[in-house]
Amino acid sequence: AQKVTQAQTEISVVEKEDVTLDCVYETRDTTYYLFWYKQPPSGELVFLIRRNSFDEQNEISGRYSWNFQKSTSSFNFTITASQVVDSAVYFCCGSRLTFGEGTQLTVNP
Amino acid sequence: KAGVTQTPRYLIKTRGQQVTLSCSPISGHRSVSWYQQTPGQGLQFLFEYFSETQRNKGNFPGRFSGRQFSNSRSEMNVSTLELGDSALYLCASSLATGVGGYEQYFGPGTRLTVT
Repeated sequence: AQKVTQAQTEISVVEKEDVTLDCVYETRDTTYYLFWYKQPPSGELVFLIRRNSFDEQNEISGRYSWNFQKSTSSFNFTITASQVVDSAVYFCCGSRLTFGEGTQLTVNP
Repeated sequence: KAGVTQTPRYLIKTRGQQVTLSCSPISGHRSVSWYQQTPGQGLQFLFEYFSETQRNKGNFPGRFSGRQFSNSRSEMNVSTLELGDSALYLCASSLATGVGGYEQYFGPGTRLTVT
């Protein structure tokens, strides 16, 4: 069975702070993919990134960065200099369509 | 390209009734997955269809069913509605089967309320 664990249920930060969302994926698969999705207050989930288990390079996209470590099955997501528009629920997802419980991020002005 | 569309957006039904929700995927996408989202249970995978065949199924009772048409459009049906079926039902499409490396694109959801 697969399991995605997002340790933080809720995080609240002040604008311009950096914030890291944790994700751990448990699976017996040797090859797998991990995803992050954002669900803003409007409700529609938006795809952010996909990473396969072979690639442990960090990825940066603007203020977003992702760190994947296969040894710990962690795929953490960092937002640098957070903004109010980053307020949303963020979901980590494993390749077998298993979603974590989500982390509610609130960025206060 | 148009995104994933779902109809209706809102629905109110009574216990015991049945309901059908519809999803039109992004053009060219052949996989459609359905999810139930509730505050207490998060995002729960219902089933996935690819090329008109159900490829994967989550842990939901048989009251929940679905199908996919040759144009990749999909419907899900819930029979004998229960109060606990009140939720946001999300449809997602991807190029190929979602169990793998294909990202999913989600529709806005159908908010079902069972009274």
